Amino acid sequence: AQKVTQAQTEISVVEKEDVTLDCVYETRDTTYYLFWYKQPPSGELVFLIRRNSFDEQNEISGRYSWNFQKSTSSFNFTITASQVVDSAVYFCALSDLDRDDKIIFGKGTRLHILP
Amino acid sequence: NAGVTQTPKFRILKIGQSMTLQCTQDMNHNYMYWYRQDPGMGLKLIYYSVGAGITDKGEVPNGYNVSRSTTEDFPLRLELAAPSQTSVYFCASSGGGRTEAFFGQGTRLTVV
Repeated sequence: AQKVTQAQTEISVVEKEDVTLDCVYETRDTTYYLFWYKQPPSGELVFLIRRNSFDEQNEISGRYSWNFQKSTSSFNFTITASQVVDSAVYFCALSDLDRDDKIIFGKGTRLHILP
Repeated sequence: NAGVTQTPKFRILKIGQSMTLQCTQDMNHNYMYWYRQDPGMGLKLIYYSVGAGITDKGEVPNGYNVSRSTTEDFPLRLELAAPSQTSVYFCASSGGGRTEAFFGQGTRLTVV
């Protein structure tokens, strides 16, 4: 069955610290996509990144980086030199291409960046 | 650039009333989804559609119905509203599982 686990419910760090948000997924399929979304206090959902199951290369975009490891079924997200504007809820999501492409979300991690 | 449009943005319902949450997208996406987000919680999939005329249940379909008569529209129907349906509802569309989903602004529904 599909499942996405974000074990960290809430994290608080002081501005400029690095922080890593964990995501562990379960799927029986070999072809799938993983996503991260950001939900700022205003409530909208903002797409951050997409990664397919055949591409384990890590990705960096500015202060954001993602580490995908199939061996541990993890797709972790790191924010370097955090800023107050990074305060939001972050969701990890999974899409199984063998199961109608439906997208399943984790419960999210609420990140507080303290000034 | 309308993207995904949901109406209404806010609604208060009395227990037992019914209503339809509207969702329309202008990106010609085949895939559309309805999620609910309870306070402090994640997104749970209610129903999804892989194309006009095709719908399927997600994780929490009880108490809801959907239809997909056109590519653009994917309304969500609440029959006999209950307090447990108090939530924020998000509609989303995508070009398929290989692509990201685009979300509407959400509908905040309160059942009293």
